[in-house]
Amino acid sequence: DVKVTQSSRYLVKRTGEKVFLECVQDMDHENMFWYRQDPGLGLRLIYFSYDVKMKEKGDIPEGYSVSREKKERFSLILESASTNQTSMYLCASSLVASNQPQHFGDGTRLSIL
Amino acid sequence: ILNVEQSPQSLHVQEGDSTNFTCSFPSSNFYALHWYRWETAKSPEALFVMTLNGDEKKKGRISATLNTKEGYSYLYIKGSQPEDSATYLCASVTGANNLFFGTGTRLTVIP
Repeated sequence: DVKVTQSSRYLVKRTGEKVFLECVQDMDHENMFWYRQDPGLGLRLIYFSYDVKMKEKGDIPEGYSVSREKKERFSLILESASTNQTSMYLCASSLVASNQPQHFGDGTRLSIL
Repeated sequence: ILNVEQSPQSLHVQEGDSTNFTCSFPSSNFYALHWYRWETAKSPEALFVMTLNGDEKKKGRISATLNTKEGYSYLYIKGSQPEDSATYLCASVTGANNLFFGTGTRLTVIP
Protein backbone atom coordinates (compact mmCIF):
# COMPACT_ATOMS: atom_id res chain seq x y z
CA ASP A 1 0.00 0.00 0.00
CA VAL A 2 1.20 3.50 -0.84
CA LYS A 3 1.95 5.61 2.16
CA VAL A 4 2.06 9.38 1.92
CA THR A 5 3.07 10.97 5.19
CA GLN A 6 2.71 14.62 6.06
CA SER A 7 4.81 15.85 8.95
CA SER A 8 2.05 17.51 10.98
CA ARG A 9 -1.74 17.15 11.26
CA TYR A 10 -2.16 20.54 12.92
CA LEU A 11 0.16 23.54 12.89
CA VAL A 12 -0.20 27.06 14.27
CA LYS A 13 2.20 29.77 13.13
CA ARG A 14 2.40 33.55 13.25
CA THR A 15 2.16 36.07 10.44
CA GLY A 16 5.53 36.65 8.79
CA GLU A 17 7.05 33.32 9.86
CA LYS A 18 8.68 31.01 7.33
CA VAL A 19 6.74 27.73 7.42
CA PHE A 20 7.81 24.34 6.11
CA LEU A 21 5.34 21.55 5.35
CA GLU A 22 6.98 18.20 4.66
CA CYS A 23 5.67 15.27 2.67
CA VAL A 24 7.23 11.84 2.18
CA GLN A 25 6.02 8.96 -0.02
CA ASP A 26 7.32 5.41 0.03
CA MET A 27 6.32 4.07 -3.40
CA ASP A 28 8.98 5.60 -5.67
CA HIS A 29 6.39 7.78 -7.41
CA GLU A 30 7.69 10.31 -9.92
CA ASN A 31 4.91 12.85 -9.41
CA MET A 32 4.24 14.77 -6.23
CA PHE A 33 1.69 17.51 -5.61
CA TRP A 34 0.69 20.12 -3.05
CA TYR A 35 -2.95 21.24 -2.81
CA ARG A 36 -4.93 23.44 -0.51
CA GLN A 37 -8.56 22.91 0.42
CA ASP A 38 -10.78 25.80 1.46
CA PRO A 39 -14.52 25.73 2.26
CA GLY A 40 -16.66 25.98 -0.87
CA LEU A 41 -13.69 25.50 -3.18
CA GLY A 42 -12.28 22.36 -4.75
CA LEU A 43 -8.78 21.15 -4.11
CA ARG A 44 -6.53 23.74 -5.73
CA LEU A 45 -3.07 22.87 -6.98
CA ILE A 46 -0.23 24.98 -5.58
CA TYR A 47 2.85 23.28 -7.06
CA PHE A 48 3.78 19.91 -8.49
CA SER A 49 6.96 18.08 -9.35
CA TYR A 50 7.69 15.44 -11.99
CA ASP A 51 11.14 14.54 -10.80
CA VAL A 52 13.90 15.44 -8.39
CA LYS A 53 14.77 19.14 -8.54
CA MET A 54 11.92 19.75 -11.01
CA LYS A 55 8.93 21.91 -10.08
CA GLU A 56 6.00 23.44 -11.88
CA LYS A 57 3.56 26.11 -10.74
CA GLY A 58 -0.02 25.08 -10.25
CA ASP A 59 -3.05 27.35 -10.13
CA ILE A 60 -2.21 29.30 -6.98
CA PRO A 61 1.59 29.42 -6.45
CA GLU A 62 1.81 32.99 -5.12
CA GLY A 63 3.33 33.14 -1.65
CA TYR A 64 4.63 29.56 -1.82
CA SER A 65 7.75 27.77 -2.97
CA VAL A 66 8.69 24.09 -3.04
CA SER A 67 11.73 21.89 -2.81
CA ARG A 68 12.34 18.38 -4.08
CA GLU A 69 15.90 17.32 -3.34
CA LYS A 70 15.07 13.61 -3.05
CA LYS A 71 12.50 11.61 -4.98
CA GLU A 72 10.52 10.62 -1.90
CA ARG A 73 10.29 14.06 -0.29
CA PHE A 74 8.42 17.19 -1.43
CA SER A 75 8.42 20.25 0.80
CA LEU A 76 6.07 23.23 0.65
CA ILE A 77 7.44 26.51 1.95
CA LEU A 78 5.46 29.55 2.96
CA GLU A 79 8.10 32.26 2.63
CA SER A 80 6.33 34.78 4.88
CA ALA A 81 3.09 33.36 6.23
CA SER A 82 -0.06 35.45 5.99
CA THR A 83 -3.52 34.93 7.47
CA ASN A 84 -5.00 34.16 4.04
CA GLN A 85 -2.80 31.07 3.95
CA THR A 86 -4.78 29.51 6.80
CA SER A 87 -6.07 26.35 5.16
CA MET A 88 -5.95 22.56 4.89
CA TYR A 89 -2.90 21.47 2.90
CA LEU A 90 -2.80 18.08 1.17
CA CYS A 91 0.16 16.34 -0.38
CA ALA A 92 -0.25 13.64 -3.02
CA SER A 93 1.90 11.40 -5.16
CA SER A 94 1.33 9.32 -8.28
CA LEU A 95 2.96 7.45 -11.10
CA VAL A 96 3.47 9.45 -14.29
CA ALA A 97 0.54 8.43 -16.51
CA SER A 98 -2.73 10.37 -16.37
CA ASN A 99 -4.70 7.18 -15.75
CA GLN A 100 -2.93 6.57 -12.46
CA PRO A 101 -4.69 7.65 -9.26
CA GLN A 102 -3.18 10.10 -6.83
CA HIS A 103 -2.43 8.94 -3.30
CA PHE A 104 -2.99 11.53 -0.61
CA GLY A 105 -1.59 12.21 2.82
CA ASP A 106 -3.84 12.94 5.79
CA GLY A 107 -3.48 16.69 5.39
CA THR A 108 -2.07 19.48 7.54
CA ARG A 109 -4.50 21.99 9.00
CA LEU A 110 -2.45 25.18 9.16
CA SER A 111 -3.56 28.24 11.09
CA ILE A 112 -1.73 31.54 10.68
CA LEU A 113 -2.41 33.97 13.52
CA ILE B 1 -7.99 26.31 -15.06
CA LEU B 2 -10.69 23.78 -16.00
CA ASN B 3 -14.25 24.27 -14.83
CA VAL B 4 -15.27 21.00 -13.19
CA GLU B 5 -18.71 21.08 -11.59
CA GLN B 6 -20.35 18.62 -9.25
CA SER B 7 -23.98 18.39 -8.27
CA PRO B 8 -25.63 18.32 -5.91
CA GLN B 9 -23.41 20.10 -3.40
CA SER B 10 -24.82 17.98 -0.58
CA LEU B 11 -27.23 15.12 -0.21
CA HIS B 12 -28.98 13.35 2.68
CA VAL B 13 -30.35 9.88 2.05
CA GLN B 14 -31.84 7.16 4.23
CA GLU B 15 -29.91 3.96 4.82
CA GLY B 16 -30.78 1.49 2.07
CA ASP B 17 -31.62 4.13 -0.54
CA SER B 18 -29.73 4.24 -3.80
CA THR B 19 -28.34 7.54 -4.95
CA ASN B 20 -26.32 9.16 -7.69
CA PHE B 21 -24.50 12.38 -8.39
CA THR B 22 -22.96 14.15 -11.33
CA CYS B 23 -19.58 15.49 -12.41
CA SER B 24 -19.45 17.81 -15.45
CA PHE B 25 -16.20 18.70 -17.17
CA PRO B 26 -15.04 20.26 -20.45
CA SER B 27 -14.97 17.56 -23.12
CA SER B 28 -12.10 19.07 -25.11
CA ASN B 29 -8.54 17.91 -24.38
CA PHE B 30 -9.83 15.11 -22.16
CA TYR B 31 -7.39 12.54 -20.81
CA ALA B 32 -8.97 10.98 -17.74
CA LEU B 33 -11.62 11.40 -15.06
CA HIS B 34 -10.87 10.52 -11.43
CA TRP B 35 -13.32 9.86 -8.57
CA TYR B 36 -12.20 10.05 -4.94
CA ARG B 37 -13.96 9.47 -1.62
CA TRP B 38 -12.93 11.73 1.26
CA GLU B 39 -14.13 10.72 4.70
CA THR B 40 -13.85 13.14 7.60
CA ALA B 41 -10.44 13.04 9.32
CA LYS B 42 -9.02 10.74 6.64
CA SER B 43 -7.18 11.27 3.36
CA PRO B 44 -8.96 11.22 -0.01
CA GLU B 45 -9.05 7.70 -1.40
CA ALA B 46 -9.15 6.89 -5.11
CA LEU B 47 -12.30 5.10 -6.27
CA PHE B 48 -12.01 5.06 -10.06
CA VAL B 49 -9.90 6.39 -12.90
CA MET B 50 -11.77 6.36 -16.21
CA THR B 51 -10.41 7.17 -19.64
CA LEU B 52 -12.67 5.80 -22.37
CA ASN B 53 -16.02 7.11 -23.52
CA GLY B 54 -18.72 4.72 -22.35
CA ASP B 55 -16.49 3.33 -19.60
CA GLU B 56 -18.28 1.79 -16.63
CA LYS B 57 -16.45 0.84 -13.45
CA LYS B 58 -17.69 -0.91 -10.32
CA LYS B 59 -16.35 -1.37 -6.81
CA GLY B 60 -18.76 -3.18 -4.52
CA ARG B 61 -21.96 -1.10 -4.30
CA ILE B 62 -20.38 1.90 -6.03
CA SER B 63 -20.23 2.31 -9.79
CA ALA B 64 -19.42 5.09 -12.24
CA THR B 65 -20.07 5.86 -15.89
CA LEU B 66 -18.29 8.21 -18.27
CA ASN B 67 -19.45 10.22 -21.29
CA THR B 68 -16.48 12.09 -22.73
CA LYS B 69 -18.35 13.47 -25.74
CA GLU B 70 -20.82 15.42 -23.63
CA GLY B 71 -18.49 15.88 -20.66
CA TYR B 72 -20.13 14.16 -17.69
CA SER B 73 -19.70 11.26 -15.32
CA TYR B 74 -22.20 9.74 -12.90
CA LEU B 75 -21.37 8.05 -9.61
CA TYR B 76 -23.97 5.60 -8.29
CA ILE B 77 -24.25 4.11 -4.81
CA LYS B 78 -26.62 1.19 -4.42
CA GLY B 79 -28.19 0.55 -1.01
CA SER B 80 -26.41 3.38 0.82
CA GLN B 81 -24.89 2.58 4.21
CA PRO B 82 -23.81 5.00 6.98
CA GLU B 83 -20.16 4.20 6.17
CA ASP B 84 -20.73 5.67 2.69
CA SER B 85 -21.04 9.11 4.30
CA ALA B 86 -18.22 11.17 2.83
CA THR B 87 -17.43 13.87 0.31
CA TYR B 88 -17.11 12.49 -3.21
CA LEU B 89 -14.68 14.40 -5.44
CA CYS B 90 -14.22 14.16 -9.16
CA ALA B 91 -11.25 15.53 -11.09
CA SER B 92 -10.63 15.93 -14.80
CA VAL B 93 -7.15 15.48 -16.26
CA THR B 94 -5.84 17.54 -19.15
CA GLY B 95 -2.84 16.87 -21.34
CA ALA B 96 -0.56 18.57 -18.84
CA ASN B 97 -1.31 15.74 -16.41
CA ASN B 98 -2.87 18.09 -13.89
CA LEU B 99 -6.02 17.21 -12.04
CA PHE B 100 -8.72 19.86 -11.80
CA PHE B 101 -11.07 19.06 -8.96
CA GLY B 102 -14.73 19.84 -8.50
CA THR B 103 -15.96 21.11 -5.14
CA GLY B 104 -17.40 17.72 -4.23
CA THR B 105 -20.73 16.22 -3.25
CA ARG B 106 -21.15 15.75 0.50
CA LEU B 107 -23.21 12.61 1.16
CA THR B 108 -24.82 11.89 4.53
CA VAL B 109 -26.50 8.53 4.99
CA ILE B 110 -29.02 8.58 7.83
CA PRO B 111 -29.36 5.28 9.74
